[in-house]
Amino acid sequence: TAGITQAPTSQILAAGRSMTLRCTQDMRHNAMYWYRQDLGLGLRLIHYSNTAGTTGKGEVPDGYSVSRANTDDFPLTLASAVPSQTSVYFCASSVEGGSNTGELFFGEGSRLTVL
Amino acid sequence: TQLLEQSPQFLSIQEGENLTVYCNSSSVFSSLQWYRQEPGEGPVLLVTVVTGGEVKKLKRLTFQFGDARKDSSLHITAAQPGDTGLYLCAGAKGGKLIFGQGTELSVKP
Repeated sequence: TAGITQAPTSQILAAGRSMTLRCTQDMRHNAMYWYRQDLGLGLRLIHYSNTAGTTGKGEVPDGYSVSRANTDDFPLTLASAVPSQTSVYFCASSVEGGSNTGELFFGEGSRLTVL
Repeated sequence: TQLLEQSPQFLSIQEGENLTVYCNSSSVFSSLQWYRQEPGEGPVLLVTVVTGGEVKKLKRLTFQFGDARKDSSLHITAAQPGDTGLYLCAGAKGGKLIFGQGTELSVKP
């Protein structure tokens, strides 16, 4: 079972350009999440979706947008990238979200460098 | 300011030593999870603690949830090089999972 698939694995992007990080899950989980991981700061939640058709803001949503058109896909878009968005981005899913959030299953991450 | 503070942030020890990692907060969590992450991979769940005062054991790893559900600890007995990795605690609050900064553990043979 693939679980969570993220693409691309790594990307270098010029500041001001737009970029979409793709995330697909094959576990039919209701909830999906995007985190960014930076040294010394751990994982910080960007956006989440508790079910298809709904999304919510996490701790650091500015500069990012998401959509959840169906259960399996949860793309993260940077409309106009800035160097502070250089990070490793992790997509994750869980069976349920909200007050029933349980184990998170993570992808392998997408390393983004904004120059 | 981190909602969950982990300490220490870095730990380098010799094989066979014991260690404890702490995860502290001023907030109450409905549950707390511990994850382990290896380089180039996403975090993987080790354990979830739900009840205040709960203790769970996973081989040489012992996890404890504080009585007030504000803090947790991870104790590793007789650490081995295979325990090397990043350990992350995460608390469930307001329907979201909030992570601590992580503890980078290096166990040298």
